Amino acid sequence: GQQLNQSPQSMFIQEGEDVSMNCTSSSIFNTWLWYKQEPGEGPVLLIALYKAGELTSNGRLTAQFGITRKDSFLNISASIPSDVGIYFCAGLNYGGSQGNLIFGKGTKLSVKP
Amino acid sequence: DAGVTQSPTHLIKTRGQQVTLRCSPISGHKSVSWYQQVLGQGPQFIFQYYEKEERGRGNFPDRFSARQFPNYSSELNVNALLLGDSALYLCASSPRLAGVTGELFFGEGSRLTVL
Repeated sequence: GQQLNQSPQSMFIQEGEDVSMNCTSSSIFNTWLWYKQEPGEGPVLLIALYKAGELTSNGRLTAQFGITRKDSFLNISASIPSDVGIYFCAGLNYGGSQGNLIFGKGTKLSVKP
Repeated sequence: DAGVTQSPTHLIKTRGQQVTLRCSPISGHKSVSWYQQVLGQGPQFIFQYYEKEERGRGNFPDRFSARQFPNYSSELNVNALLLGDSALYLCASSPRLAGVTGELFFGEGSRLTVL
């Protein structure tokens, strides 16, 4: 089945540092999304990308939809303690009237004040 | 406004038992999806319902079933529980058919432990 390879698995950074994580797939996706999950919570949508090559920002977060449609990256600038959590990439598997998300295994981010 | 609500939040069952998990979507949302999240993994798609009809099914055995009610709430049922069914079960709603945009609003999940 389709799988997403997300890297790195975990990151330990100092407050104020920039963060970069990425996601690759052997299959093409028409939509890429990035979600964040904090302990005891469900995932929350951060950014959605709908077009190959698209670069989208949401505050300190920037994400890009790869030209090949097989990859995406997420950057976080000037990290702060509340950025702690697990970041998941997801590809939308859409056909006809049906669709579901394929999630990566996540990147766990820890921020040291 | 209330977000997606799920119940129960935690439950413990033994192998062979059956479990029913409940979900109320955000008001006005007609699509509900269920995902299973095993510890250390990303969520995995189980079912999607839209306007009370099943619109998608993931690679899960027939022990898993779901339905959506006229008020758009949903139930996930799992029969003959196995140890491997221990996971966080996430419900997500969206205003449109989730397959169109992928934009889902998740609840906090129901943590199922099978002993």
